[in-house]
This record gives sequence, structure tokens and C-alpha cells, in this order.
Amino acid sequence: AQSVTQPDIHITVSEGASLELRCNYSYGATPYLFWYVQSPGQGLQLLLKYFSGDTLVQGIKGFEAEFKRSQSSFNLRKPSVHWSDAAEYFCAVGAKYPTDSWGKLQFGAGTQVVVTP
Amino acid sequence: GAGVSQSPSNKVTEKGKDVELRCDPISGHTALYWYRQSLGQGLEFLIYFQGNSAPDKSGLPSDRFSAERTGGSVSTLTIQRTQQEDSAVYLCASSSLPLAGGPKEQFFGPGTRLTVL
Repeated sequence: AQSVTQPDIHITVSEGASLELRCNYSYGATPYLFWYVQSPGQGLQLLLKYFSGDTLVQGIKGFEAEFKRSQSSFNLRKPSVHWSDAAEYFCAVGAKYPTDSWGKLQFGAGTQVVVTP
Repeated sequence: GAGVSQSPSNKVTEKGKDVELRCDPISGHTALYWYRQSLGQGLEFLIYFQGNSAPDKSGLPSDRFSAERTGGSVSTLTIQRTQQEDSAVYLCASSSLPLAGGPKEQFFGPGTRLTVL
């Protein structure tokens, strides 16, 4: 069964500093990996996704993530955070189409990011 | 046109009552997904639809939960005999089918906040 672990429940970062959010997954085959962001009172928005090819993927809002198969990780990074990046971030893993469970995203518990001035 | 819409946005009900939650996906999206977000359990997958069929119902917590989709469009999640532990935000998402080239983004609606008294 697939699973996702986000080790950090809460991270505080200064505006302008770099940010790295950790994600470890467990999945038997090549996973589909995602990062979503949820701002207060907002829905979930996709930041980026990985399914094959280049292990460094670029997303929206200046975010990037690196897939490391040997470490079963898909960490999210941003070189310089803005106050508007304060939100909750979710890593998710999905199965390949057309397996029976392709539509099921397994989410991590989320990491709350607080940005200080 | 518009994004995923859900109704009602808030629902307060008494324990033991039945509730119906509605999801209108983005026009043309063949796939539709239901998730639940609660403080104790995080983001949980409930069920997804490919057209009107549901290949994976494994996430439904109990037989009190059911979902249907008609006409390949609107979906209804029904919870019978609600319990206090059903209190959560129920999220709906939709996407096109990931027929090739990797996963498609799941676009999330704003959710229905269910409170069971």
C-alpha cells in the first residue's frame, strides 16, 4: 500500500530565507508524486507533480521539488520565501493509470509553514 | 468555465440524521474524487469515479457512506445516520483522465464543512 510521511508538522521561516519541506513515500512501483498547498480558507492548489523523466521538477510560485528514488523522497524547496507562502503544504502519492487505484491520492499529514518578518 | 463547486458550503445536522453533499465538477472532466479533511485524520481519500462508475470505494469509512454520479457530471455523497466523528470538511475534486503522459491535476472545490451535533 502507498503511504506518505511528512516529518515536519510545523516550520517557521523568515521572509527571504530558503524553505525545504520533506516528504518520504512508500510505494511498490514508480509513484506519481504531488505537492499541494492550502492557504487559510482556500482550497487545495497543485504546486507541482512528478511521474517520470527529470528528477528536478519546477512548479508554480517559484517552488521546485527533487525526486530521489534511492531515498524515497520528494522534497519541496523554495529559495526565498514570501509572506504569502504561509500555508499548509501536502505531499501526495498516486498510482499509475490504469491500475484500479489510479484515482486515489494518498496525502501526507501536511506541514504548516509560518513566515515571520 | 467555473471551477469545482460544492454545496452546501456548511451543513450542521443532528446525530442520526442523513445528509447529502453535492459536487459539480469542472465541465468535461471525466474523473471525480471525494476526500475528507479532519483534524485527527488529515486528508483521507473516500472514493473516485471514472465516468459514472467507481473503481475504488476502499476509502469509504463505513456502509453509512455512499456516493453516486449520474450523467458523468454531478456527484452526491450521502452519509446516513450521521455520527459526531463524521464532522469534517468534505472535499470534491475533478480531473480529466490520465490516459497518457502521466497524472492529471485534480482540481479541488472549496469543500463542505459538516458539523454533526
